[in-house]
Amino acid sequence: QVQLQESGPGLVKPSGTLSLTCAVSGVSINSSNYWSWVRQPPGRGLEWIGEIFHNESPHSKPSLQSRVTISIDKSKNQFSLKLTSVTAADTAVYYCARGGVIAAAGFYDYWGQGLLVTVSS
Amino acid sequence: EVVLTQSPAALSLSPGERATLSCRASQSVATFLAWYQQKPGQAPRLLIYGAANRATGVPARFSGSGSGTDFTLSISSLEPEDFGVYYCLHRRTWPLTFGQGTKVEIK
Repeated sequence: QVQLQESGPGLVKPSGTLSLTCAVSGVSINSSNYWSWVRQPPGRGLEWIGEIFHNESPHSKPSLQSRVTISIDKSKNQFSLKLTSVTAADTAVYYCARGGVIAAAGFYDYWGQGLLVTVSS
Repeated sequence: EVVLTQSPAALSLSPGERATLSCRASQSVATFLAWYQQKPGQAPRLLIYGAANRATGVPARFSGSGSGTDFTLSISSLEPEDFGVYYCLHRRTWPLTFGQGTKVEIK
């Protein structure tokens, strides 16, 4: 069974860097799937952050592109998100998700449980 | 960037009634559209992908239709557990975008 689990600090200081990891089990990170990050500010809707396919160049939301890095660690079967220069507006529940190319035409069929990250001093 | 506009923002229906949710795209996304259900405190759950394909384990009362710019999610006969917020998502081009959501309340 495919499982994803986010981990990282729940509190980040303003102007700091948010760093999250998504551990993947039940499927190889090298498989033909998209690996993605989605966030949800408290009480608001879902926001796509970005995704990476295999080890190709990642794609991210244009308004976040200058601050976002998404990468894969094949040796640990995990992928990560780094978001620099954070502000209170980056406070959200962060989800990692798999885009199942064969199972779901690339749409996100497996999700982590979500991790609340608060930006505050 | 494709903008997805969902309507209505919210609806309240009784068990057994039919629910019809709409998602309109600012430009054609062909059939590269999915629907998700999210309940409080939970991750989104994939219901429909490719505009009309039910995901694994999704009950047959959920159906999707549409192509191009206009899409519909129908719930034929609402069950009490169908409450939540429903989002559409496209992956026609990067960046992917979500609609703002439709909140479904069961009376």
